[in-house]
Amino acid sequence: EAQVTQNPRYLITVTGKKLTVTCSQNMNHEYMSWYRQDPGLGLRQIYYSMNVEVTDKGDVPEGYKVSRKEKRNFPLILESPSPNQTSLYFCASSLWGQGAGNTIYFGEGSWLTVV
Amino acid sequence: QKEVEQNSGPLSVPEGAIASLNCTYSDRGSQSFFWYRQYSGKSPELIMSIYSNGDKEDGRFTAQLNKASQYVSLLIRDSQPSDSATYLCAVNPDPGGGADGLTFGKGTHLIIQP
Repeated sequence: EAQVTQNPRYLITVTGKKLTVTCSQNMNHEYMSWYRQDPGLGLRQIYYSMNVEVTDKGDVPEGYKVSRKEKRNFPLILESPSPNQTSLYFCASSLWGQGAGNTIYFGEGSWLTVV
Repeated sequence: QKEVEQNSGPLSVPEGAIASLNCTYSDRGSQSFFWYRQYSGKSPELIMSIYSNGDKEDGRFTAQLNKASQYVSLLIRDSQPSDSATYLCAVNPDPGGGADGLTFGKGTHLIIQP
């Protein structure tokens, strides 16, 4: 079954305590992305990766890091979380080169609260 | 700055009627257009994609694209209570529509009244 798996699904943490949200896909996709979703602001892209060792900033990268050491994994790292990073986070992946009809698969989301 | 605009709603439609959702975008070079449905607290789910001017029908859903006017719309016929959700419009300048360049609107909250 095609899946994008995120962990943890729910997390409450304290300001400044480093955390990592993992993302893994089993579809051999080249592209992976992280989004955050906030009320009134919609889905905004944080970082994306076009392939292993290739990452680039999205619209709201400040305060986040990513890495792509393996094709299937794309972790999101918050080195020093702050309350304004409290949000719902989605990982997504897609396969490049299919042309029209390229499907983006989303993970189930990770609810992060920073207190 | 690429922008995708949607009326946030809520848009209330009686069961069995046609729900009409609209979206405008700023990047004239956009090539791929998508409608996602998102239930509260869940991940977005792709329901329609459209790449050429005109209409595209899939079951009860019809997507309409007008690149000259830079708008895309979604019609839902015979609306059901299960259609109640937030509908996200997304555009991509890439004809392949990959995950990297997708810009989402803020979504329209649709309520189907039984």
